Amino acid sequence: AAGVIQSPRHLIKEKRETATLKCYPIPRHDTVYWYQQGPGQDPQFLISFYEKMQSDKGSIPDRFSAQQFSDYHSELNMSSLELGDSALYFCASSQNFRGQGYGYTFGSGTRLTVV
Amino acid sequence: AQTVTQSQPEMSVQEAETVTLSCTYDTSENNYYLFWYKQPPSRQMILVIRQEAYKQQNATENRFSVNFQKAAKSFSLKISDSQLGDTAMYFCAFIDNNDMRFGAGTRLTVKP
Repeated sequence: AAGVIQSPRHLIKEKRETATLKCYPIPRHDTVYWYQQGPGQDPQFLISFYEKMQSDKGSIPDRFSAQQFSDYHSELNMSSLELGDSALYFCASSQNFRGQGYGYTFGSGTRLTVV
Repeated sequence: AQTVTQSQPEMSVQEAETVTLSCTYDTSENNYYLFWYKQPPSRQMILVIRQEAYKQQNATENRFSVNFQKAAKSFSLKISDSQLGDTAMYFCAFIDNNDMRFGAGTRLTVKP
């Protein structure tokens, strides 16, 4: 079965650079979520999109932006990177808004290291 | 305020034995959903089990079962016949009128 695909798997950037993370949801999943997981921490919700519109917003810095495209894939754009942005970034998708009884299916994550 | 609380940062269990991970949550909603996710060293987030709040029957998935106590807002995970591959971080998660929120996690180590 197809899973949530994230690219790249690993990314190393310098401070003040920009980064773009991509997420391809499971086919027919219309909702995409982004989470940030720092070392030894639980995943923190950043932002979500339902049918290509932003649905919820969590603790996403103003330096970050995201969008969902017509093919339902999503991109997380991160600018003016800081050392504290180093984390594992998960994308998840669900077949309906907020996943309801089915939960979310997570991708393998993108590990971003800012040096 | 933390919506989901996991009070056990670390736990260990002998292979083949049973272990219970605790989770409590806070919500004013009557309809919500609860989940346990497993995160092994590979860092993949894997859904273990889910429970709808309106169902009184506790969910079961093979060796994994939950004890859902709605009045107490408690949602514990029981792992029976623990296997070495169960070694992972376990996150309790919750959806009501907001997107999924996670507890701080419990690191479970299964010892041979």
